[in-house]
Amino acid sequence: GAGVSQSPRYKVAKRGQDVALRCDPISGHVSLFWYQQALGQGPEFLTYFQNEAQLDKSGLPSDRFFAERPEGSVSTLKIQRTQQEDSAVYLCASSLSDTPYNEQFFGPGTRLTVL
Amino acid sequence: KNEVEQSPQNLTAQEGEFITINCSYSVGISALHWLQQHPGGGIVSLFMLSSGKKKHGRLIATINIQEKHSSLHITASHPRDSAVYICAVYYNTDKLIFGTGTRLQVFP
Repeated sequence: GAGVSQSPRYKVAKRGQDVALRCDPISGHVSLFWYQQALGQGPEFLTYFQNEAQLDKSGLPSDRFFAERPEGSVSTLKIQRTQQEDSAVYLCASSLSDTPYNEQFFGPGTRLTVL
Repeated sequence: KNEVEQSPQNLTAQEGEFITINCSYSVGISALHWLQQHPGGGIVSLFMLSSGKKKHGRLIATINIQEKHSSLHITASHPRDSAVYICAVYYNTDKLIFGTGTRLQVFP
């Protein structure tokens, strides 16, 4: 079956622009995670949804970052007034269940470059 | 400060060599992932384990809960194994905490 998909795969933005990154999780997966991966680093947690509920947004670096999953399926990560330090790969992952510590399946990521 | 430490950071090997990548973490965990990341960003889950040992093909993962340590072994390494290998742990939340990865290059 289809895995986690993300779009766009690459995004170049001018500093100050708003961007929206989309994640389509595996069908039926309850949990959805967003991660940010800077060059040469491991991913870092941004936020987590269980169905449409955003249960943890403690990793969002500033109030310019906003995520939603209104119908409990597709999720969008929005970054307002992008800054150069926002340049990174943004990874989405989903897992089947709402019970803890389930295997996560990752999308290919969106590479954001802010000029 | 990184709660998940991996070693080595970089590793080169000749085809056929046995490879070991290590992961140490600072406090008790609920589960641990080993992940593989190829150039271009895609991450594949290799193993998820909370005790003992798991094997899949040429890959073996072990975890020692008391010593807070896990290892990933690759037997009969091949150039297509070249990738970044990442250890990630669940503490008592649903958030994964990632190590910085081990970059492996296997030469023919």
